[in-house]
This record gives sequence, C-alpha cells and structure tokens, in this order.
Amino acid sequence: DSGVTQTPKHLITATGQRVTLRCSPRSGDLSVYWYQQSLDQGLQFLIQYYNGEERAKGNILERFSAQQFPDLHSELNLSSLELGDSALYFCASSVIAGPIYNEQFFGPGTRLTVL
Amino acid sequence: KNQVEQSPQSLIILEGKNCTLQCNYTVSPFSNLRWYKQDTGRGPVSLTIMTFSENTKSNGRYTATLDADTKQSSLHITASQLSDSASYICVVIRGGSQGNLIFGKGTKLSVKP
Repeated sequence: DSGVTQTPKHLITATGQRVTLRCSPRSGDLSVYWYQQSLDQGLQFLIQYYNGEERAKGNILERFSAQQFPDLHSELNLSSLELGDSALYFCASSVIAGPIYNEQFFGPGTRLTVL
Repeated sequence: KNQVEQSPQSLIILEGKNCTLQCNYTVSPFSNLRWYKQDTGRGPVSLTIMTFSENTKSNGRYTATLDADTKQSSLHITASQLSDSASYICVVIRGGSQGNLIFGKGTKLSVKP
C-alpha cells in the first residue's frame, strides 16, 4: 500500500458526460501528479500540482482540468467524454515538486469506462 | 523526438530462471532513469532510480544497468518467482527546471511454475 488513495475504483459513464476523479496524497506529500494509461499504451503524464499550484503540464486535453485543494487532495475533472477517454487514471504523490531524484508513489488507479 | 522503447513486449519464463529486460531511449537532456514494476490493475512501484553517473544499481533480485553513452538500460531479474509476474516500465526523466517523465510501454513478464 503506497499511502495514496484514489476514488472511485471504477467508473462507467456515457459519451458526453463529465466525471470527477479524486486523489488523496500520502501524508506529508505536497506534490500530486495525474497520469493516464490507455490499453496497450504507456503511462502519459497529464498534470502536476504542488501545494495547490499548477507546476507542470503534460499531454492534458483542454476537456480535462485538475486542481489541488488546501488539504492537498486533488481532483481531475474530465468533461465531454469520448470513447477514447476510457483508461486507467493514476494519481501519484511526492514530497517535493521536481521529478528529479524525487520518488513518486502511485495510487491504485481509477478505471474509467466510457460507453 | 523524446522516446523510450522497451523490449521484448512480453516474456514468459519458468520459475527460478533469470531474465533481462531492455530499455533504449532518445530522451534529451537526460536526468535520470527509473524502473517500475506494475502488477495488473495496480499502480507502478519504483524498483530503482539511476542517475547519469551510475552504471549499476541493485534492489534485491533486481539489478539495473545504465549505459549513458549508448542510451541503453537493462533490468536483470535473478531467480525469478511467481510474484515477479507483472509489467516492468522504464521511465526516463528529462533534465530542466521542471523535468518531464517519458514512459516506455513496458515489458509484460509472466513467470510460470
């Protein structure tokens, strides 16, 4: 158990809908990262927050947005969902901001299925 | 283009045997390289982190090597166990103020009794 929690574990929804994924980082970690893992694809970095502020952006679509709250939990909002958005979404957390020498601990993931 | 290529895509070995997984990268500038183990349906777990100056790093039965000149890394698993069945992901971190993680697609290892 990494100490990172994600809810829900599974989510099934329809195209065009909007969903929110939630992540609670390990106690003491200030940085949260979101990743998408599609079938047969590698993990894709979406976005990073550090202590409430956006720190780095990866391949995140404009239909997706995220935020980190004062209690450091984070939410990833996915809107106007398409079939291709079906994937595993992972959250990771780390103590400090930069990925260099900075180990990230991954949550168990949320499996999103868009029908 | 910054890419991480892993081979083989999948591998089946018998319990107790050794195996080596390969990772080639074209990421620049290079900061460090990591190997993760990902059990099916679970989040990745870090095995090793290697910087530019490190050639070999071990973590129990896992030994990672890095050749920064040829931009290649390998992960050697010794005396495999059934619990080693998982995907092994090579991740290269770019240098720079914020860095950037480039993930390989992973090698799916199945250890059979």
